[in-house]
Amino acid sequence: AQSVTQPDIHITVSEGASLELRCNYSYGATPYLFWYVQSPGQGLQLLLKYFSGDTLVQGIKGFEAEFKRSQSSFNLRKPSVHWSDAAEYFCAVYFGNEKLTFGTGTRLTIIP
Amino acid sequence: NAGVMQNPRHLVRRRGQEARLRCSPMKGHSHVYWYRQLPEEGLKFMVYLQKENIIDESGMPKERFSAEFPKEGPSILRIQQVVRGDSAAYFCASSPGTSDYEQYFGPGTRLTVT
Repeated sequence: AQSVTQPDIHITVSEGASLELRCNYSYGATPYLFWYVQSPGQGLQLLLKYFSGDTLVQGIKGFEAEFKRSQSSFNLRKPSVHWSDAAEYFCAVYFGNEKLTFGTGTRLTIIP
Repeated sequence: NAGVMQNPRHLVRRRGQEARLRCSPMKGHSHVYWYRQLPEEGLKFMVYLQKENIIDESGMPKERFSAEFPKEGPSILRIQQVVRGDSAAYFCASSPGTSDYEQYFGPGTRLTVT
């Protein structure tokens, strides 16, 4: 079955610390992968996407993600978080069926 | 180029009333998707439309919910006889329908049923 898993519901990091948010998927082929960010009461903004090619992709706001086929993962990273990064982060996957399947999200809290 | 527009941003309805949510896709986009986000959950696909056609409605509840994307005008998601469980954020996304596969999201309509 096709599925997307974000195992961490809530993560708290200190400002300036590094960040990694996990995303795993279940699929028989390589899907198209996305990370979106949602600030409270707002819509979704695309951070980055992976379709093919270089497995390390750079996005906006200093984020990057690495696709690892062997682990069926697409983890989001940032070397140094800022207070403005506090938000909900969603991994989304296109399994070739004309719609995005979203993970349940990871809420990021930044402490001073 | 304006982004995806949704209105209203907030909608309050009493149980049994009808809710109409509107979505204007980005200019040049002919594909529209509706997603629902329940509190503390991720987004769940509801329906995918192209102009005048429903392509995939596998995520739509079988009763009370309908969607359209007419030749002219915005896409409409209609919920008849709303119940408290319909309270959620409803997001519309659009895409140009090319091989990009990226969907551009609107700000959402937050429906509260009292």
